Amino acid sequence: SAVISQKPSRDICQRGTSLTIQCQVDSQVTMMFWYRQQPGQSLTLIATANQGSEATYESGFVIDKFPISRPNLTFSTLTVSNMSPEDSSIYLCSATMKNGDTTDTQYFGPGTRLTVL
Amino acid sequence: AQSVTQLDSHVSVSEGTPVLLRCNYSSSYSPSLFWYVQHPNKGLQLLLKYTSAATLVKGINGFEAEFKKSETSFHLTKPSAHMSDAAEYFCVVSDKFSGGYNKLIFGAGTRLAVHP
Repeated sequence: SAVISQKPSRDICQRGTSLTIQCQVDSQVTMMFWYRQQPGQSLTLIATANQGSEATYESGFVIDKFPISRPNLTFSTLTVSNMSPEDSSIYLCSATMKNGDTTDTQYFGPGTRLTVL
Repeated sequence: AQSVTQLDSHVSVSEGTPVLLRCNYSSSYSPSLFWYVQHPNKGLQLLLKYTSAATLVKGINGFEAEFKKSETSFHLTKPSAHMSDAAEYFCVVSDKFSGGYNKLIFGAGTRLAVHP
């Protein structure tokens, strides 16, 4: 399995500002993902962070709002830009490791709890 | 497209009694299925996964799930609930993605409460 850490664990931000969330994995992984979990809701995939190329975004999410970087095989960042109160959520990073079978198990970080005032 | 439905948003049990969390999936092919648990203010932890091997899958903390293709179900069970089992549980199906990896589709979640 992989151990995943995120920084910050939580933050309170003002409307119109941006926040960058960091995700660090303790081993090289194939794919990294960013999810949003709105209050009382399930997880929704924002994008897949590809190493060495642009992220792949899901419907309803755009690069200008959620720019993502993945400079190497163990690290990724997600920026929440020009924040509004509707962006208040938990943002989770996950990573996929090949386990020798055909299924890629995803391991999750602890999440970043964002509150926008 | 794949989808997953968790049939109960809330389940309440007494400590020591069995737990049943229900999940139905929709898939056009043989899916991979997962159960994750999220404790309050914590990240997600993988409980177990089904990957077309044995239909009865054993996970951590005494949980197990049975894959039933005829019923398109993947219900999570535990013989005896413990207070520490109180958490949010997510049933998840993987979706094939052109990038060569699987994308996870999450159910809405079931909140399990355990009473003394």
